[in-house]
Amino acid sequence: DQQVKQNSPSLSVQEGRISILNCDYTNSMFDYFLWYKKYPAEGPTFLISISSIKDKNEDGRFTVFLNKSAKHLSLHIVPSQPGDSAVYFCAAMATDSWGKFQFGAGTQVVVTP
Amino acid sequence: DGGITQSPKYLFRKEGQNVTLSCEQNLNHDAMYWYRQDPGQGLRLIYYSQIVNDFQKGDIAEGYSVSREKKESFPLTVTSAQKNPTAFYLCASSMTGKVFAFFGQGTRLTVV
Repeated sequence: DQQVKQNSPSLSVQEGRISILNCDYTNSMFDYFLWYKKYPAEGPTFLISISSIKDKNEDGRFTVFLNKSAKHLSLHIVPSQPGDSAVYFCAAMATDSWGKFQFGAGTQVVVTP
Repeated sequence: DGGITQSPKYLFRKEGQNVTLSCEQNLNHDAMYWYRQDPGQGLRLIYYSQIVNDFQKGDIAEGYSVSREKKESFPLTVTSAQKNPTAFYLCASSMTGKVFAFFGQGTRLTVV
């Protein structure tokens, strides 16, 4: 059973606008959440993380929001740039299973001119 | 420069043969991981190792084996017992206490 779900397989957004990627999880023991970005034929690269003691973390154009009661997190990219076109994976981990991340299926983002 | 090297990038094997995927890192990371990615699915953890000479099964360890004799190396063997070995395999490493990992470029294994 998939504990981390990204229900939107793809997202198209215009350059300069906001991209919002969503992720839902089922395991209430998860307390670390990450977003990775992946280009074709490359390994994922770490983007941003958040722990369960926070509800928001910001790094430049990227902001992650965590809603623990809804078991939902989102990644906002503002403004979207052509180089942001990639697959974005959400991942979650519980402290008592350190290193055992559960990944979502990914969302393909396409930024159009 | 530091990083994680997976080799080869593409690998073809006949059904019934064991095959070993290489993963080397020079980041001085203690933890290393193997993931598998299939089309339309997220990364699934096969095995991970937090320290030399120790490793744990991930969610889909059946049909795979690993060793961790050196800090820098974490090879993955795909055995003939793995029913659907054709996939994209990713190796990763992380520093102790850090939640995020660095990934290699991946190896695409095709079994015919």
